Amino acid sequence: DIQMTQSPSSLSASVGDRVTITCRASQSISSYLNWYQQKPGKAPKLLIYATSSLQSGVPSRFSGSGSGTDFTLTISVLQPEDFGTYYCQQSYSTRLTFGGGTKVEIK
Amino acid sequence: QVQLQESGPGLVKPSQTLSLTCTVSGGSISSGSYYWSWIRQHPGKGLEWIGYIHFSGSTYYNPSLKSRVTILLDMSKNQFSLKLSSVTAADTAMYYCARLDSGNYYEFDYWGQGTLVTVSS
Repeated sequence: DIQMTQSPSSLSASVGDRVTITCRASQSISSYLNWYQQKPGKAPKLLIYATSSLQSGVPSRFSGSGSGTDFTLTISVLQPEDFGTYYCQQSYSTRLTFGGGTKVEIK
Repeated sequence: QVQLQESGPGLVKPSQTLSLTCTVSGGSISSGSYYWSWIRQHPGKGLEWIGYIHFSGSTYYNPSLKSRVTILLDMSKNQFSLKLSSVTAADTAMYYCARLDSGNYYEFDYWGQGTLVTVSS
């Protein structure tokens, strides 16, 4: 299986900050990388697919980049509603795998 | 707007079979562009893909669960189901159904709200 490793596992940031989350794959996955946001008690929500394509309705402060094994999710200007846990997911292999998650807290 | 809704028992006894159904509305499960998926999340933990099925009948399962998992489609009811046999306390989790869009990069674009299944005698 392709292992996905996220860092950091948690972070605390202030409203207005720029936040970056990293996801690393155990082998090259080309651009087959998706990002999700999950709020407590809710199902995950798709934010970005294919590394950098913004899902419809997702604010433009969210962006993604990378290729091969290293990927990033950036929140350009952190908003109060951006708290939650963020997961990356690879779809290069038919055996889909997720990263362990990054919990974002608002200071 | 596509909506997915999980249903099934919230409590299952050890060694029995967990059975859940996902009802899809606002779209047809017979569309060739999508795979219909199950994902679970242990309490306080991350996401674990269980498996998915295509309307053609093709299935893909997580190797760690493959011997115990069956996913089926019921196109007459626009539903798909999950059966997980020989459950233990380690199968206690929130179970989500989701649509996997194969038209782009195989992302989960719609999710159900999830259903908590507890394995306990």
